[in-house]
Amino acid sequence: AQRVTQPEKLLSVFKGAPVELKCNYSYSGSPELFWYVQYSRQRLQLLLRHISRESIKGFTADLNKGETSFHLKKPFAQEEDSAMYYCALSGTSYDKVIFGPGTSLSVIP
Amino acid sequence: GAVVSQHPSWVICKSGTSVKIECRSLDFQATTMFWYRQFPKQSLMLMATSNEGSKATYEQGVEKDKFLINHASLTLSTLTVTSAHPEDSSFYICSASDPRGANVLTFGAGSRLTVL
Repeated sequence: AQRVTQPEKLLSVFKGAPVELKCNYSYSGSPELFWYVQYSRQRLQLLLRHISRESIKGFTADLNKGETSFHLKKPFAQEEDSAMYYCALSGTSYDKVIFGPGTSLSVIP
Repeated sequence: GAVVSQHPSWVICKSGTSVKIECRSLDFQATTMFWYRQFPKQSLMLMATSNEGSKATYEQGVEKDKFLINHASLTLSTLTVTSAHPEDSSFYICSASDPRGANVLTFGAGSRLTVL
């Protein structure tokens, strides 16, 4: 069965500190993994996807198939990074997208 | 960029009435749209996958007769909550498969339903 877990509901870091938001998944096949972000009073939006292998707003995420993880990392957190972050998983094209429970990141100035 | 419009943004109705929520892709065609439900401080729960021109695919535990989904065109999907009850009160969010990639989602702003 498809499942996405994010062990931390809340994560607080100081500005300038590194941040890592954890995501693990279970899927019988080759999934596509995503990170979505929701800033205060805004709609959910795509942050990055693993197949793009790009850095967005300083964030990166590497898919580790051995550990079935897709952790989101940023070396130096900024106040504007405070938001709700959701890890998500999908299978084949146009397949459903399943979301993890989300992690609320708070960057302390 | 791709934009999804959802209407109404909030609605209050009496128990027993039906409520329709619209989801439109404004500048792109969406063959697939997804309807999610979000309870306070919880994640998005997928309710159903809406496919243009065919029946929606409902997730386990979601009553198809309760939550009617129609995807009559490439830019419009509707969710109708029939005979609404207070326990149906929730935040409903639609999304559409984005031109950037089949599995990339563009989200609507959501609709807050309150059933009295």
